[in-house]
Amino acid sequence: DIQMTQSPSSVSASVGDRVTITCRASQDTSNWLVWYQQKPGKAPKPLIYAASSLQSGVPSRFSGSGSGTEFTLTISCLQPDDFATYSCQQVRSFPYTFGQGTKVEIK
Amino acid sequence: QVQLQESGPGLVKPSETLSLTCTVSGGSINSYYWSWIRQPPGKGLEWIGWIYSSGITNYNPSLKSRVTISVDTSKNQFSLRLGSVTAADTAVYYCARHIGAAGTLRFDPWGQGTLVTVSS
Repeated sequence: DIQMTQSPSSVSASVGDRVTITCRASQDTSNWLVWYQQKPGKAPKPLIYAASSLQSGVPSRFSGSGSGTEFTLTISCLQPDDFATYSCQQVRSFPYTFGQGTKVEIK
Repeated sequence: QVQLQESGPGLVKPSETLSLTCTVSGGSINSYYWSWIRQPPGKGLEWIGWIYSSGITNYNPSLKSRVTISVDTSKNQFSLRLGSVTAADTAVYYCARHIGAAGTLRFDPWGQGTLVTVSS
């Protein structure tokens, strides 16, 4: 299985801050990587697919980059609605695997 | 737009079989792949398996011996059965649709999730 490791596990930030989350894969996943946002008690929603493509309807302050084994999700200007948990998922090989999640908290 | 809704018992006894159904509304189940995913309380997401509308399946090897996913296209539903459950199977279970293909694959939309607790 491809192990996905996110860092940090949590981050405290203020509205307006730039936030960067990293996801590392134990094997090359090319750019077959998805980022999800999940709010408490809700299902995940895709933000970024193919490592850097913005899902329809997602604000442009979200961006993704990377390929191979290292990926980054950036929120350029944190908004109140962005406080949530973010998870990466590789879809390069079976079984599909997720990172453990990064919680973005209010500072 | 397409909506998914999980249904099934919220409490299952150890060693018994967990059974859930995902009902698809607002669109057809045909010609799509559909997945089950679970999330233990306070933990990360785990992919359980997928089914194509034709009935082809693919399971997570860690659960393969206990999992069956099936589809009923006439009802626009697909189902999950997980046998010999233990407390470690306590989780919120989600169903989701695949969109895109190969490197553009992502899960969207997801059902709201249903908590299944394994306890006697």
